[in-house]
Amino acid sequence: QQQVKQSPQSLIVQKGGISIINCAYENTAFDYFPWYQQFPGKGPALLIAIRPDVSEKKEGRFTISFNKSAKQFSLHIMDSQPGDSATYFCAARLYNQGGKLIFGQGTELSVKP
Amino acid sequence: DGGITQSPKYLFRKEGQNVTLSCEQNLNHDAMYWYRQDPGQGLRLIYYSQIVNDFQKGDIAEGYSVSREKKESFPLTVTSAQKNPTAFYLCASMGLELYEQFFGPGTRLTVL
Repeated sequence: QQQVKQSPQSLIVQKGGISIINCAYENTAFDYFPWYQQFPGKGPALLIAIRPDVSEKKEGRFTISFNKSAKQFSLHIMDSQPGDSATYFCAARLYNQGGKLIFGQGTELSVKP
Repeated sequence: DGGITQSPKYLFRKEGQNVTLSCEQNLNHDAMYWYRQDPGQGLRLIYYSQIVNDFQKGDIAEGYSVSREKKESFPLTVTSAQKNPTAFYLCASMGLELYEQFFGPGTRLTVL
């Protein structure tokens, strides 16, 4: 199974709150798990990424938590700001297929002032 | 200024016409990718190429064709055989020794 399942589909958070987006996978051939941020009408941009030998990675207000045994990973956005309002995609890379990324369905985040 | 350029930004096509979307990169990346994005869905891989003169089908290649004659360029042709071509098309590239895919700004194709 090459799917990556992402939830929730949409999320509304108050300014200063914590935004949490979850992803789950089944294929053990994934070796890299990036999160992309996309603003309307623009291409996605890499936000933060993690490899499966690490349980957590933090960059500024953004943290990835990775649970290898449960095959789940999540993005936490601390102190959410209106400028964080965007669509977020999790993805997983197949190590044996030319860097092919499998994307989740996306989460539309809206941060209310 | 290094990056990926896609042109045009908006494209309108009549049913039954083929159309070619341009993707150029000056990052010296070996691998290039084409994705399709529909509202409420993730990105789906159409074709990818790891080296000049070679490319592989992705998950939704039917109705599309590509070429990779130069390292910098990976054009995508949407043929009349593609049943539902209206979508946002994204090109990406990656250095084979790296993990990150860099995306272009996208082309929005509308079939009239």
